[in-house]
Amino acid sequence: AQSVTQLGSHVSVSEGALVLLRCNYSSSVPPYLFWYVQYPNQGLQLLLKYTSAATLVKGINGFEAEFKKSETSFHLTKPSAHMSDAAEYFCAVSVDTGRRALTFGSGTRLQVQP
Amino acid sequence: GAVVSQHPSRVICKSGTSVKIECRSLDFQATTMFWYRQFPKQSLMLMATSNEGSKATYEQGVEKDKFLINHASLTLSTLTVTSAHPEDSSFYICSARTGGDTQYFGPGTRLTVL
Repeated sequence: AQSVTQLGSHVSVSEGALVLLRCNYSSSVPPYLFWYVQYPNQGLQLLLKYTSAATLVKGINGFEAEFKKSETSFHLTKPSAHMSDAAEYFCAVSVDTGRRALTFGSGTRLQVQP
Repeated sequence: GAVVSQHPSRVICKSGTSVKIECRSLDFQATTMFWYRQFPKQSLMLMATSNEGSKATYEQGVEKDKFLINHASLTLSTLTVTSAHPEDSSFYICSARTGGDTQYFGPGTRLTVL
C-alpha cells in the first residue's frame, strides 16, 4: 500500500515570496505522484504529475516539483507567490497496477499575505 | 479537454430520503470513475471505484447498500445515497480516468441532510 504525508497543514507566505509545500510518499513499487489544488467549494485541479519521466516536473501557474527517490519526496515550489495561489493543495500517489486509485495527503492550506 | 461535471452542485434533503448525484465526463470516455468524500477541512477519502458495466469496488468501511453506484455508460456514473442521515452530509467528489494515469475531478456536490 502507498501513503502520502504532507508536512504542515498551514503555510503562510508573503506575496512575491517563495512557496514550498512538502510532500513525502511511501510506496513499495515505483509511484506516480500528483499535486492538485482545490479552491473553496470546488473540485480538484491538476497542477502537475510525475510518471517516471523527468524528475523535475513543471506544472501550471508557475509551479514545479522535483521527484527525489532517495528522500521519497515530491515537494511543490513556486518562486514567487501570488494572491491567487491561496488555496488548499493536495499531494497524491498512485501506482501503475490495478485500479490506480489515488491516495491523498491531508492537504496544506496556503495563505498569501499582501 | 478532460472536463468532468457533477450534478447537482448542492442538494439539501430531509433525513430518510434518497439523493442521486451524477458524474459525467463531457469530452472523453472514462474507463474508470472514482467517488470520494471530503469532510470539512479534511482530505479526500476514496469511497469506491466503478468501471462501466461492472459492479463497483467499495473501500473498506463504505456501506454498499447505502452508497449505490451505477456506471451505466463510459461517460456517466451515479452515486445514490439511500436513506440519508445527517452524518451523510459531506462534499462528494467524483473523478474520471481515461485509461492513463491522470484522474480528472468534477466540481463536487455539497450534500446537506436535515
